[in-house]
Amino acid sequence: AQTVTQSQPEMSVQEAETVTLSCTYDTSESNYYLFWYKQPPSRQMILVIRQEAYKQQNATENRFSVNFQKAAKSFSLKISDSQLGDTAMYFCAFMKGGSQGNLIFGKGTKLSVKP
Amino acid sequence: SQTIHQWPATLVQPVGSPLSLECTVEGTSNPNLYWYRQAAGRGLQLLFYSVGIGQISSEVPQNLSASRPQDRQFILSSKKLLLSDSGFYLCAWKKAPREMANEQFFGPGTRLTVL
Repeated sequence: AQTVTQSQPEMSVQEAETVTLSCTYDTSESNYYLFWYKQPPSRQMILVIRQEAYKQQNATENRFSVNFQKAAKSFSLKISDSQLGDTAMYFCAFMKGGSQGNLIFGKGTKLSVKP
Repeated sequence: SQTIHQWPATLVQPVGSPLSLECTVEGTSNPNLYWYRQAAGRGLQLLFYSVGIGQISSEVPQNLSASRPQDRQFILSSKKLLLSDSGFYLCAWKKAPREMANEQFFGPGTRLTVL
């Protein structure tokens, strides 16, 4: 069975600085997808970024980028130029390729961006 | 564009009462549909998923049931609520596996309090 671990329950960062959130996963699958979701105080889950396991290039979406280390089973999220609106819970999630799309989530990291 | 709706947004119910939460998706056909529960301060737990009308898969045996009477409608039910059913319930949809996109898109959620 797959598991996702986020070892940082809470983090804080100053506005405009850079922060990295950690995520590790355990799987024996070779075909899978990884995601980072953001849940602001409104509790709406918002997709931040996705990574296909077969791609070596790290995904990037504007100020958000990942460091995907397949051999180490690590998938960290880097947020550059942090903004107050980035304050949220961040969840790392795993999905087996070719499955019906069931996501396995980590327990989340609460990120606070301070002015 | 696709949108996903959930109602009600907030619900307070006594122990032993029935439950019906509804989720509908617009702008797509034959989506995979999912029900998740998020307990306070914790990650998301997949409860049910459906790949088509009348097709329901349960991930966690419990006091709840799900139904999909129409292609874009997903209902979460209970005959008798327990205190432990309190939480934040999220519905999500995803294009079927044959599609290239693999991410799930979430609704705004229902906050359920059982007293």
